Amino acid sequence: AQKVTQAQTEISVVEKEDVTLDCVYETRDTTYYLFWYKQPPSGELVFLIRRNSFDEQNEISGRYSWNFQKSTSSFNFTITASQVVDSAVYFCALTNLSGGYQKVTFGTGTKLQVIP
Amino acid sequence: GAVVSQHPSWVICKSGTSVKIECRSLDFQATTMFWYRQFPKQSLMLMATSNEGSKATYEQGVEKDKFLINHASLTLSTLTVTSAHPEDSSFYICSAREGTSAEQFFGPGTRLTVL
Repeated sequence: AQKVTQAQTEISVVEKEDVTLDCVYETRDTTYYLFWYKQPPSGELVFLIRRNSFDEQNEISGRYSWNFQKSTSSFNFTITASQVVDSAVYFCALTNLSGGYQKVTFGTGTKLQVIP
Repeated sequence: GAVVSQHPSWVICKSGTSVKIECRSLDFQATTMFWYRQFPKQSLMLMATSNEGSKATYEQGVEKDKFLINHASLTLSTLTVTSAHPEDSSFYICSAREGTSAEQFFGPGTRLTVL
């Protein structure tokens, strides 16, 4: 069974502050992908990143960075110098690579509000 | 990148009627399509998985006679909500996958309101 936990339901920060969104996952598979998606009020999911379970390198993309630690089963997402446009719900997700049925399991989401 | 469209983007219907939602992969062949449901302020819950030309596989608790899924071609899957009731009001999102790729591409969603 797969499970993704996003313990932070809602976070509010003041613009320009840094914020980290936590994600902890559970899976019995040794090969899997982890994802982060952004869902603005319009509802459309915006893909942010995909990470293979064999690649534990941290990644930085502009103001976004991700910290993947298999030892703690965590895949945290940090936004540096937050902006109002970052306000959205962010979902962490997991999919296994074994077998032909690749089900994506989503976390419950973290609503981020960036206050100007 | 791969594009998935959904139609309509929103729909309002009367209780008891049926509503069809289309999901199309525009620039790739979607071997597998997934249908998700999202209630307000909640996460996405997988409803069913459909492979082109095969019957859909429904998740536990999802009524297959109420949510009819047809994946007739490699670019189109449809979800029909039959005899819709107000509790079916939700945001329905489809995603599509090409071959055995781990990547799923999501549609923009369809907001269904049943009066």
